[in-house]
Amino acid sequence: EAGVVQSPRYKIIEKKQPVAFWCNPISGHNTLYWYLQNLGQGPELLIRYENEEAVDDSQLPKDRFSAERLKGVDSTLKIQPAELGDSAVYLCASSTRQGAVAFFGQGTRLTVV
Amino acid sequence: AQSVTQLDSQVPVFEEAPVELRCNYSSSVSVYLFWYVQYPNQGLQLLLKYLSGSTLVKGINGFEAEFNKSQTSFHLRKPSVHISDTAEYFCAVSQQGNEKLTFGTGTRLTIIP
Repeated sequence: EAGVVQSPRYKIIEKKQPVAFWCNPISGHNTLYWYLQNLGQGPELLIRYENEEAVDDSQLPKDRFSAERLKGVDSTLKIQPAELGDSAVYLCASSTRQGAVAFFGQGTRLTVV
Repeated sequence: AQSVTQLDSQVPVFEEAPVELRCNYSSSVSVYLFWYVQYPNQGLQLLLKYLSGSTLVKGINGFEAEFNKSQTSFHLRKPSVHISDTAEYFCAVSQQGNEKLTFGTGTRLTIIP
């Protein structure tokens, strides 16, 4: 069974440029999460989807960040424009149901220069 | 609100020695508890979980953890570590009925040959 797939693995962009990350969850997983992991820190939730509905986006900086999961399967996280402080690892995870275990992808390491 | 405290940011241990990584949590409601491991440039991999039942849970790679409700702790242990256990270890908590995972800041385990 394929795990959570994220792309790209690494991305380097100049500040003020846009960037997008893609995530394909494990087949059959209705819940999808995007987490932000700063260097030396634990992951922090940005947004959680139940199917195509964003049920928790309270930590998403909506002035520059956006996310979508149009068909309730794969998801895209976008930053526009990127700032130096956005340099971090962006992790995607998925789970089957309420309270179930979240499985993580390998992450996208973003460097903004 | 829930929170996780990992008191030790770094733990050096000699190979084949036992190790304990400490985790304390706070929550006003019943919780699920998790330990994840992150190898360099990788995503998070689930080591073990406590959802209900026996307070002693066994995970992969010879790790185990014990849920102590009175102490609000979920310490991770391994009787004999190997070089391959060198990684970052994250404790996480979610509230029953809410899938949002809250992570600690991580403990870097370094195995000394």
